Amino acid sequence: KNEVEQSPQNLTAQEGEFITINCSYSVGISALHWLQQHPGGGIVSLFMLSSGKKKHGRLIATINIQEKHSSLHITASHPRDSAVYICAVPTGNQFYFGTGTSLTVIP
Amino acid sequence: NAGVTQTPKFRVLKTGQSMTLLCAQDMNHEYMYWYRQDPGMGLRLIHYSVGEGTTAKGEVPDGYNVSRLKKQNFLLGLESAAPSQTSVYFCASSWSSGRTGELFFGEGSRLTVL
Repeated sequence: KNEVEQSPQNLTAQEGEFITINCSYSVGISALHWLQQHPGGGIVSLFMLSSGKKKHGRLIATINIQEKHSSLHITASHPRDSAVYICAVPTGNQFYFGTGTSLTVIP
Repeated sequence: NAGVTQTPKFRVLKTGQSMTLLCAQDMNHEYMYWYRQDPGMGLRLIHYSVGEGTTAKGEVPDGYNVSRLKKQNFLLGLESAAPSQTSVYFCASSWSSGRTGELFFGEGSRLTVL
């Protein structure tokens, strides 16, 4: 049983396309994290959100606590957005992680 | 500001050898975590610490030991390495639990056990 499910697992888009990555979770939470990992690179935190919507540049994250669902949107996608995007939900002192969505943006 | 630093970045071991991975953070964070990342499996928690002198087991603790003698350092030890421990290891830290604290990750340590 996986407490955090992401979809799609893999995504290929043309530069400029609008992208949506989804995350559903089964545990009760008060916050959710979106992380980014470039190929062969480290992991960076993009968002931590507990309600509504947050926006950083071309990235937008939304969460619906009642439906236990979050989405990460990328507007005007660019090849440098190519990375694995991971959602994580905290529970107690630990986190449950999704297996990630691998995004490739083609010029 | 270095954030979270892991050493070494790469290491090759033979089965049965021992080694220690060092994680250092300069943000005065209370919480520190060691994860392993394997293809198709996502991040799995090995051990974590909620403060200096404390440690706790995560999802996959067997074959690993940890210590948090100083607040800024979290060490991960492999006493007798096995090929199944070939993985990429990530350290992370946070000033509080994940409900309120952002996670900061190190760059990862790639370990190969032959």
